[in-house]
Amino acid sequence: DAMVIQNPRYQVTQFGKPVTLSCSQTLNHNVMYWYQQKSSQAPKLLFHYYDKDFNNEADTPDNFQSRRPNTSFCFLDIRSPGLGDAAMYLCATSSGEGVSYNEQFFGPGTRLTVL
Amino acid sequence: AQSVTQLDSHVSVSEGTPVLLRCNYSSSYSPSLFWYVQHPNKGLQLLLKYTSAATLVKGINGFEAEFKKSETSFHLTKPSAHMSDAAEYFCVVTGTGGFKTIFGAGTRLFVKA
Repeated sequence: DAMVIQNPRYQVTQFGKPVTLSCSQTLNHNVMYWYQQKSSQAPKLLFHYYDKDFNNEADTPDNFQSRRPNTSFCFLDIRSPGLGDAAMYLCATSSGEGVSYNEQFFGPGTRLTVL
Repeated sequence: AQSVTQLDSHVSVSEGTPVLLRCNYSSSYSPSLFWYVQHPNKGLQLLLKYTSAATLVKGINGFEAEFKKSETSFHLTKPSAHMSDAAEYFCVVTGTGGFKTIFGAGTRLFVKA
C-alpha cells in the first residue's frame, strides 16, 4: 500500500544534541510537510517542500532545518534541541498542482523526548 | 485571510447516539475543507473532504459533513457513535489561489458505554 513512513517512531535525545527525523513516502507526491504537535494541540506547520522549493513558516525557529534529497525522502534536523522541542513530529504529503494543494496524507509521527 | 473555528473543545456522547462536531470557517477564496481524525499517539487520518463538488460529503466510518456557504460551516456528523470513534477531530481549511492550510484547535470526542 502507498504510504508515508516515519522513522524512528520514538526518539530520545539529550538537551543540545542534534537529532534527525526521517520521512519517506511511496505516494509520489510532490509536496512534503513537517508539523510539530504538542500535547492536546493542533499540528503546527514548520515548513514544506513544493518539489525542491523550500517554504519556511515565518515563526519556525532557526533551530529547525529540513532537507529533501529526492522526491521520496524528507528529513527534519533539530540542531540544538531544547526541552520545549519535545513533541510529536508529523510528516505529511500531498499532490500540488500549480497553486492548488490537495488533501494531506500523514505518517504515524515520531515522538521526540528531550532529556 | 483564512481561519477555522471548532466550536467545542470536548464533546461527550453515549454509544449509539448521534455525533455532531461543529466547524466554522472563514476564507477569502473558494475553500477546500477537510476533517481528520487522530487516535492517541497516531498520525492524522482523512475522514472526508469538500472541494466544491457536492455539498453533502460522505466519508469513512459512517461520517458525513455538509458544506453550508451561507453559514460558513462544515459540521461533521455521524448517526450512531461507536466506542472506536473516541479520538481527536480536526477541521482543516485550505484555500486555492495560494497555499495556506489552517487547522482548527481540535475537538476531543468521548464515547460513553
